[in-house]
Amino acid sequence: AQSVSQHNHHVILSEAASLELGCNYSYGGTVNLFWYVQYPGQHLQLLLKYFSGDPLVKGIKGFEAEFIKSKFSFNLRKPSVQWSDTAEYFCAVNAGGTYKYIFGTGTRLKVLA
Amino acid sequence: SAVISQKPSRDICQRGTSLTIQCQVDSQVTMMFWYRQQPGQSLTLIATANQGSEATYESGFVIDKFPISRPNLTFSTLTVSNMSPEDSSIYLCSVVSLYNEQFFGPGTRLTVL
Repeated sequence: AQSVSQHNHHVILSEAASLELGCNYSYGGTVNLFWYVQYPGQHLQLLLKYFSGDPLVKGIKGFEAEFIKSKFSFNLRKPSVQWSDTAEYFCAVNAGGTYKYIFGTGTRLKVLA
Repeated sequence: SAVISQKPSRDICQRGTSLTIQCQVDSQVTMMFWYRQQPGQSLTLIATANQGSEATYESGFVIDKFPISRPNLTFSTLTVSNMSPEDSSIYLCSVVSLYNEQFFGPGTRLTVL
């Protein structure tokens, strides 16, 4: 069965620190990959997505993610985090040709001012 | 992107009662889903709401417990029946765009006493 693993459940960083959140999935076929963010008190928002092409994708608010097919990974990065990045981040996988999304367990990021 | 609203935004219910959650989208969409997000956990797909036919339920979810209606392409309801404290959760409606991006509603926070 398809699954998505996010290894970091809680991350605490100081402002200006670099961020990398891990995401690994298990599925052998074509996949679409997503990162969603949920700010405190707000609903889930799409941060970035990968369907095909350049494996390094850029999203909103300075986030980027790299798809490494050989490692079944889609890690999220940001060179310098801000206090406003405090949120929960979810990785999701969608098997190509379907509309069903599988979500990871989420990573709670807290950025200290 | 689609704008999704849900009603109610939150509710506190007694054990054994039922609650119907409404989801309204500002445009016609083909794919509409219902998710559950339990405290500290990720999103779990409950079912796909199909317009004009019965919903398609995921493993572990049944129609008697979570009846779903989808009378048209912009509206759906999810009922949580015969509630128990284990049903306390956030229930989310989502839609998929033509570009295979999933957008989420603000969620309904349900507490069952």
